[in-house]
Amino acid sequence: EDKVVQSPLSLVVHEGDTVTLNCSYEVTNFRSLLWYKQEKKAPTFLFMLTSSGIEKKSGRLSSILDKKELFSILNITATQTGDSAVYLCAVGYNAGNMLTFGGGTRLMVKP
Amino acid sequence: DVKVTQSSRYLVKRTGEKVFLECVQDMDHENMFWYRQDPGLGLRLIYFSYDVKMKEKGDIPEGYSVSREKKERFSLILESASTNQTSMYLCASSKGGQGMNTEAFFGQGTRLTVV
Repeated sequence: EDKVVQSPLSLVVHEGDTVTLNCSYEVTNFRSLLWYKQEKKAPTFLFMLTSSGIEKKSGRLSSILDKKELFSILNITATQTGDSAVYLCAVGYNAGNMLTFGGGTRLMVKP
Repeated sequence: DVKVTQSSRYLVKRTGEKVFLECVQDMDHENMFWYRQDPGLGLRLIYFSYDVKMKEKGDIPEGYSVSREKKERFSLILESASTNQTSMYLCASSKGGQGMNTEAFFGQGTRLTVV
């Protein structure tokens, strides 16, 4: 059965800390891995990764994919309270554009 | 600015009612999705459509049906609502036909409560 697993389930850190969120997957015909941030409303897109070893970076956030070991990490450096959210990992697979999500990691950043 | 619009933010329905959740996107996207989101379970795909009148079952299609009569609109139908369908429902759309995976844009969600 295809699946996407995120860890940890939740995380509490203080402002300025660096966090690493994990996403492992096991799907048929992998196409892409996407990271989303969800605060109170709709998930908002962060990154899409299709190639191994190429880091994507946006400000304090960065992500990398390992297609051999079937996982991705999302790093957030110098965390701020505004980073508090649920971070979702999704994997696109098969020819039909299917997108399966992991259970999410809830990050809380304390002042 | 890209937009996926869901018709209701909050809905309360009675058990056994037929419920329609509407989703409209203005980006001319081929793909549209319906997910439900429950605590601890993440987003689970209910149905997916890659073209008008085309649909595919996702991971949890039981108790649901969908309709895609026009490219911009994807409707989720609960034929006979049950309390275990109380959830947050999220619609999403993405560009590209079969064989491509691209960023999916989400609507604001509909929180459905079945009493």
